[in-house]
Amino acid sequence: AQSVSQHNHHVILSEAASLELGCNYSYGGTVNLFWYVQYPGQHLQLLLKYFSGDPLVKGIKGFEAEFIKSKFSFNLRKPSVQWSDTAEYFCAVNAPGSSASKIIFGSGTRLSIRP
Amino acid sequence: EAQVTQNPRYLITVTGKKLTVTCSQNMNHEYMSWYRQDPGLGLRQIYYSMNVEVTDKGDVPEGYKVSRKEKRNFPLILESPSPNQTSLYFCASSIAGYPDTQYFGPGTRLTVL
Repeated sequence: AQSVSQHNHHVILSEAASLELGCNYSYGGTVNLFWYVQYPGQHLQLLLKYFSGDPLVKGIKGFEAEFIKSKFSFNLRKPSVQWSDTAEYFCAVNAPGSSASKIIFGSGTRLSIRP
Repeated sequence: EAQVTQNPRYLITVTGKKLTVTCSQNMNHEYMSWYRQDPGLGLRQIYYSMNVEVTDKGDVPEGYKVSRKEKRNFPLILESPSPNQTSLYFCASSIAGYPDTQYFGPGTRLTVL
């Protein structure tokens, strides 16, 4: 069964600091990977996705993520965070095929940015 | 405007009183899904539907029912709510087989006393 682990439950940074949020998944086959963001009081929005090709993917708002197949990881990065990045971030995995629409979410990482 | 709507947005109820949370989408999506979000557990899928009259259990289906009589609607039914169903619920829809097209509703915060 697929699963997703996000080891950082709460990250606190100052503005302009660099960000890296960890994500590891367990699944032996081909996967699609996602990062979602949930701003306070809002619903989830897709930040970026990896399906195939270049393992370094760029998303909205300056975020990027790198897929490292050998480490089963898909860490989210941003070189310089802003106060407006305060949100909860969810890594997610999907396996193409019979459950092609199902997305498994990690437990989330709450990011707090000090102005 | 493409959207998923949920009603009600907030609900406080008592144990055992049947309730329904409605979900509607205007994108003609085949796939619809219900999640619950709990602190430290992320989003867990309750039920999903691949198309009209086709529904199946997700990871945490106990205590919930769903129906899919029309493509646009996917109500979540709690026949006899219990306090452990206090949670934030999200409905989502997508084109079947294209998970990156998944749209989420605004959420329903349910408290069961």
